[in-house]
Amino acid sequence: QSALTQPASVSGSPGQSITISCTGTSSDVGGYNYVSWYQQYPGKVPKLMIYEVSNRPSGVSNRFSGSKSGNTASLTISGLQADDEADYYCSSYTIIRTPVVFGGGTKLTVL
Amino acid sequence: QVQLQESGPGLVKPSQTLSLTCTVSGASIDSGTYYWSWIRQPAGQGLEWLGRIYTTGNTNYNPSLKSRGTISVDTSKNQFSLRLSSVTAADTAVYFCARESGDSLAFDIWGQGTMVTVSS
Repeated sequence: QSALTQPASVSGSPGQSITISCTGTSSDVGGYNYVSWYQQYPGKVPKLMIYEVSNRPSGVSNRFSGSKSGNTASLTISGLQADDEADYYCSSYTIIRTPVVFGGGTKLTVL
Repeated sequence: QVQLQESGPGLVKPSQTLSLTCTVSGASIDSGTYYWSWIRQPAGQGLEWLGRIYTTGNTNYNPSLKSRGTISVDTSKNQFSLRLSSVTAADTAVYFCARESGDSLAFDIWGQGTMVTVSS
């Protein structure tokens, strides 16, 4: 069982905005600003999309944004496009058991 | 640019030891503030962090490995490695090596991943 909770799936239509949540505890998401988000196409390598809650690496579209409130971090994708369809994983620094923990992943379907 | 490449056997027998190496190119493994990590993903499942090594040699491991895992670094070869002993079918997965920024604690560079099957 993953320590960070993500919805198994979310969906949206092209042009819409969607938000994927990542819920942890005060020992990880809520206590530190070291939340990252990764995009993974089937059979491909995960790609860093957001780091430190809301920062985008160079080259990542500004349609991707991150935020955090309490123990829940969120990834928002605006202006949804067909090639946004992928799995998305959050991760966080944690002081429980391991220094790194992943969420279970969310499958985004673009309708 | 910095690239990571995993190498190692694709098939390991149960109870034996899985050994993988990650070769870093484009930069020295002991430059900068980075952790060098191993992450795996069973088919159809999520990502599982296994462990990491810092350039000083300090290591952290996921307790779920139950002390079966060892990560080491060879700076002369610009490589780091994972050894996982007493493997079972549950260790069958794609294994990724990745660079974790010591500042942001994000995995900014990943290897292509290597599929390891545990089977007799």
